[in-house]
Formats: sequence, C-alpha cells, structure tokens
Amino acid sequence: DAKTTQPNSMESNEEEPVHLPCNHSTISGTDYIHWYRQLPSQGPEYVIHGLTSNVNNRMASLAIAEDRKSSTLILHRATLRDAAVYYCILRGFTGANNLFFGTGTRLTVIP
Amino acid sequence: DTGVSQDPRHKITKRGQNVTFRCDPISEHNRLYWYRQTLGQGPEFLTYFQNEAQLEKSRLLSDRFSAERPKGSFSTLEIQRTEQGDSAMYLCASSGLMNTEAFFGQGTRLTVV
Repeated sequence: DAKTTQPNSMESNEEEPVHLPCNHSTISGTDYIHWYRQLPSQGPEYVIHGLTSNVNNRMASLAIAEDRKSSTLILHRATLRDAAVYYCILRGFTGANNLFFGTGTRLTVIP
Repeated sequence: DTGVSQDPRHKITKRGQNVTFRCDPISEHNRLYWYRQTLGQGPEFLTYFQNEAQLEKSRLLSDRFSAERPKGSFSTLEIQRTEQGDSAMYLCASSGLMNTEAFFGQGTRLTVV
C-alpha cells in the first residue's frame, strides 16, 4: 500500500485556518486520498476524500496537488473541538479495501 | 442509533483468559473491518469481511485471534489465551460496497493484567 507522510504535530490558534499537509509521492492513479480524524477516546471519524479535484464539505476542504503527490486538508476556522489526530490515507477504489493508518498529525488548537 | 456499536466498551481480563468482543455495523453495510490501536499509534488493520466472507487477514492476526461474521450481520472477535501485549483498543468499522467512507465504533478497550 502506498505510504503517506505527515508532520507529527501542528498547532493552530482558535478561529484561524489550519493547513494540514500530506505527502504521498508513490500514489497510484486509482488511489483516493482520504482524511480521517480521531478525537480523544473516540474511534476515527471520516472527514473528506478526493481523487484529483479539490473537494469541499461542511467539515473541511481538500486541496490536491496537480501531480497528486501531495494534498492539504484545510480547516477554515479551527475550533477547540477540532483538536484531534488527523490521518491522511490512500485507498484504492477497488481491490484493496482497507484503510492503512500511519501515525497522523496531532493538531493542538490554542484558545 | 444508526452508528457502529461495540460491546463491551471496556474489558479487563487476566492473562491466559479468553475474551470475545462484538461489533454491530450499520445495518446496510456489507463491509466490516477490525482494527487494533495501541497508545500513540494509529489503528492497525486486523481483518476485513464482505458480508459473511472473511476476505483478508493481517499478519497481526495470530492464531490466537479469530473473527467471525455469521449471516453477514454482527461480528465477533475472539482472543484466546490473552497476553499483556494484547492490551489495546479494538476498533470496528463498516462501510458500503462503493468503498467510500468507513464508520467506526467507539472501540473496546482491553486491558490484560
């Protein structure tokens, strides 16, 4: 499975935008880029996913580089409830169906 | 409640005992996954079912571990002869056939003493 690389930790001030980077230089043409987050003492929670085009939903935006070797999860206004570990995961649409988590980025939101 | 539910939420057991966890996925989801998570690490894949068929097992799933999904509904994960290294959070997730988002339960935290 293609690997992703994320910073171990990031900090953001409350109500400011947060850009969480992810490198995936070995991504294949059929891999989707998924983001999940895990709040303390909870199971992971789906955030967003995309293939080539940038994606927006109510939780976040996903910006995908033109060569697809990197992506950025954007939280437009960080709140204290966004403090979590964020995982960037590559997942094939068919075939391998599993989510392979790395260690993710621990986001700290400073009030 | 339409989410993934896991039971029990917490389990403390003595080394050498057997334990069984249950996962009830979202009712219309065909796919069910088990993961294990230790402190400070991301979840690690254990096994995956599509309906009642167990299609993939990780090398982490030693012969002391067995998972079933009879009738393609709920699933059980059993650990025999537990060891202290089995202490972890065991997470269950389910998803539909179109392979988009997976929904996770709250997990079962196992402590082996």
